[in-house]
Amino acid sequence: EDHLVESGGGLVQPGGSLRLSCAASGFNVDSKFMIWVRQAPGKGLEWVSAIYSGGSAYYADSVKGRFTISRHNTENTLYLQMNSLGPEDTAVYYCARGSRYCSGNWCYGEYYFDFWGQGTLVTVSS
Amino acid sequence: DIQMTQSPSTLSASVGDRVTITCRASQSISDWLAWYQQKPGKAPKVLISKSSSLESGVPARFSGSGSGTEFTLTISSLQPDDFATYYCQQYNSYWTFGQGTKVEF
Repeated sequence: EDHLVESGGGLVQPGGSLRLSCAASGFNVDSKFMIWVRQAPGKGLEWVSAIYSGGSAYYADSVKGRFTISRHNTENTLYLQMNSLGPEDTAVYYCARGSRYCSGNWCYGEYYFDFWGQGTLVTVSS
Repeated sequence: DIQMTQSPSTLSASVGDRVTITCRASQSISDWLAWYQQKPGKAPKVLISKSSSLESGVPARFSGSGSGTEFTLTISSLQPDDFATYYCQQYNSYWTFGQGTKVEF
């Protein structure tokens, strides 16, 4: 059975750093599209950073230059290094696995998110 | 960036009602649209992908339709477990979610 377990959230002061982890089981993170999505308290969903199986990484404009996505293959874990945090980064951070449309042996199109972790709360406050 | 607009923001309904939620994209996204259900304190769960493809294990009372810029999620007969917030999401170009529709009693 597949599992995703996030950890590393907590209270951090503005300007501080935090590293989130997303431990996977049941599948290999390095062979899948993976993404971080966040949800500010009482708000909607916002993609933060994504990494394709080939290693290409993408960032939302709101975090570009401050956040770094990575993965550790032997630990089967996805990471999100977050620097220069501000109050606007306060949110529950979810990691999720991507899936895409397949017909026969062909898969194409972009990824939607078919499996999510339970989330970890990051609070940026003095 | 592609913007996604859902309506209504809140929907009051009763068990057994037919419920329809609309999602509009700021530009054509073909049929690269997914619908998610989220309950309080829980992660979102995908219901539908590629506009109308029901995910495995999702009850058949959920259906999706649309292409281009206009999409709908329909719940044919609302069940007690369906009271939740629903999000549409485009994945034609990066990823954008709608602001959500809360289905309440």
